[in-house]
Amino acid sequence: AQKITQTQPGMFVQEKEAVTLDCTYDTSDPSYGLFWYKQPSSGEMIFLIYQGSYDQQNATEGRYSLNFQKARKSANLVISASQLGDSAMYFCATAGRGSTLGRLYFGRGTQLTVWP
Amino acid sequence: EPEVTQTPSHQVTQMGQEVILRCVPISNHLYFYWYRQILGQKVEFLVSFYNNEISEKSEIFDDQFSVERPDGSNFTLKIRSTKLEDSAMYFCAGREGGPNEKLFFGSGTQLSVL
Repeated sequence: AQKITQTQPGMFVQEKEAVTLDCTYDTSDPSYGLFWYKQPSSGEMIFLIYQGSYDQQNATEGRYSLNFQKARKSANLVISASQLGDSAMYFCATAGRGSTLGRLYFGRGTQLTVWP
Repeated sequence: EPEVTQTPSHQVTQMGQEVILRCVPISNHLYFYWYRQILGQKVEFLVSFYNNEISEKSEIFDDQFSVERPDGSNFTLKIRSTKLEDSAMYFCAGREGGPNEKLFFGSGTQLSVL
């Protein structure tokens, strides 16, 4: 079984500032993937970033980076230079590798609000 | 950029009725999934589908649910006799497989069972 914990139900950040959204996980799989998704108020689930547990470097996708600390089982999302359009719910998720990769286990999410 | 397309965006149905939710995955995707999100709750895995058969399903995916990909493009989720507790946002998702492990979701279908 896999478990994701997002301890921040809500976060606030001023436009142009960086923000870190926390995520810790618990998994029995020796190899796994970590995902972050953005869900705006319109409801769609937007893929942001992926990190494999054996990847040597932290993943980056534009303004998004994943601060992966394997020993601490944490996979925090860092958003640099926040924009008003970043206001949304953010979900961390994990999955085993291989054939079960697509079975994601989600956290409860963090509601991010970016203010001017 | 290619997208996973879901129709309808909203579906309202009476309890006990059958509903079919439709998804058109990205063309080069090989693995397909359905997830659901009950209002205020976590996103939950329902089923995975590969090579025209179910590869894994959760305890939520009981006999009332079925999936198929009849024509090689549309991927459907059928709920045979809807219950009030089936009200949720249903997401279709897909991935290429192989070294690319990114999972892409559709925009969802909001199902309301009255």
